[in-house]
Amino acid sequence: DIQMTQSPSSLSASVGDRVTITCRASQSISNYLNWYQQKPGKAPKFLIYAASSLQSGVPSRFSGSGSGTDFTLTISSLQPDDFATYYCQQNYITPYSFGQGTNLEIK
Amino acid sequence: QVVQSGAEMKKPGASVKVSCKASGYTFTRSGVNWVRQAPGQGLEWMGWISGYSGDTNYAQKFQGRVTMTTDTSTTIAYMELRSLRSDDTAVYFCAADFYGSSGNLEHWGQGTLVTVSS
Repeated sequence: DIQMTQSPSSLSASVGDRVTITCRASQSISNYLNWYQQKPGKAPKFLIYAASSLQSGVPSRFSGSGSGTDFTLTISSLQPDDFATYYCQQNYITPYSFGQGTNLEIK
Repeated sequence: QVVQSGAEMKKPGASVKVSCKASGYTFTRSGVNWVRQAPGQGLEWMGWISGYSGDTNYAQKFQGRVTMTTDTSTTIAYMELRSLRSDDTAVYFCAADFYGSSGNLEHWGQGTLVTVSS
């Protein structure tokens, strides 16, 4: 099975900051990498697919990059609504697997 | 839209069946994934079912204990988990894959809390 590892596990930042979250796969997954945002008590929200394609309706301050084993999610200018937990997920092969999550908190 | 059934409380050894009602898209062109989240923990993929054929793909961890089904007449997907243990306590989500089996979990239900306790 493919293991997904995110870093950092938690991150404190301020409104307006640029933040980057990384995700590493235990083997090459090409660009089969998705990102989700989850707020407390809510279902995850689909943000980015195929490593860098923005889901419809997702603000352009979100971007993704990477291929192979190393990926990043960048938020260019944090907004109050962005404080949440972010998960990467590989959909290269089943069983699909998620990173452990990155909790983005307000500094 | 994807709407799940309500919270369940079960005893160890029992079974639970969670439903997921889909609307607003072509159910038979989609797939439904099931993902769970234990309290304070991350996301765990359990498996997938095709809305077209009923084909399934279960994570090895749940093989033999889980059954996923669909009813195309009502556009409802079901996930049954048997021989429940305390560590099955979690929120169970269904998530629609509009392209069938792309692995893109595009639209999620609100979640169903299943509590397993004696």
